[in-house]
Amino acid sequence: QQQVKQSPQSLIVQKGGISIINCAYENTAFDYFPWYQQFPGKGPALLIAIRPDVSEKKEGRFTISFNKSAKQFSLHIMDSQPGDSATYFCAVEYGNKLVFGAGTILRVKS
Amino acid sequence: SAVISQKPSRDICQRGTSLTIQCQVDSQVTMMFWYRQQPGQSLTLIATANQGSEATYESGFVIDKFPISRPNLTFSTLTVSNMSPEDSSIYLCSVRGQGAMETQYFGPGTRLLVL
Repeated sequence: QQQVKQSPQSLIVQKGGISIINCAYENTAFDYFPWYQQFPGKGPALLIAIRPDVSEKKEGRFTISFNKSAKQFSLHIMDSQPGDSATYFCAVEYGNKLVFGAGTILRVKS
Repeated sequence: SAVISQKPSRDICQRGTSLTIQCQVDSQVTMMFWYRQQPGQSLTLIATANQGSEATYESGFVIDKFPISRPNLTFSTLTVSNMSPEDSSIYLCSVRGQGAMETQYFGPGTRLLVL
């Protein structure tokens, strides 16, 4: 059973544009929603995270929007740069366990 | 966040053999985790390794295939036993941060190819 669905599978954005990646979950017991960024040959790195008592969190060019009623959360990357080209994973956490989405391959064209 | 290192960074192994992967953290942590990332795929939790207790395995993973040790609060090993080409993956360890708002931080991974 897929507990978190991530879309799109891949995304191409022009430099300076906005990249948007969406995730939907089913279990309302999840209590932490991190996003990870992974470059080829590297381990995933925590990018930004949110708890369900907050609807939005912004850190620099990265923003998480959280819709508790719809059980959805999304990552927005403003002013996307070629250096942002990577694979992005959303995740949900419950009881210290992380369940990952399938990942989105982002390519920012210069 | 903790600094995590893994050894080896990559290896090529023959089927039927075993490989032990080491994970070292620069600070004491209670919870360590082992994940598998198959080629082009997402991460799947193999097991949770807490110091002083047996590892807890997720559905689909068994101790005979993936024995884990956790001798202290900064170190853990994962062994991939009796390997087959289907075990070719990236194996990652992670640790949970110490604060209430912390989540998991990942090591660089061990890239395993089984021939």
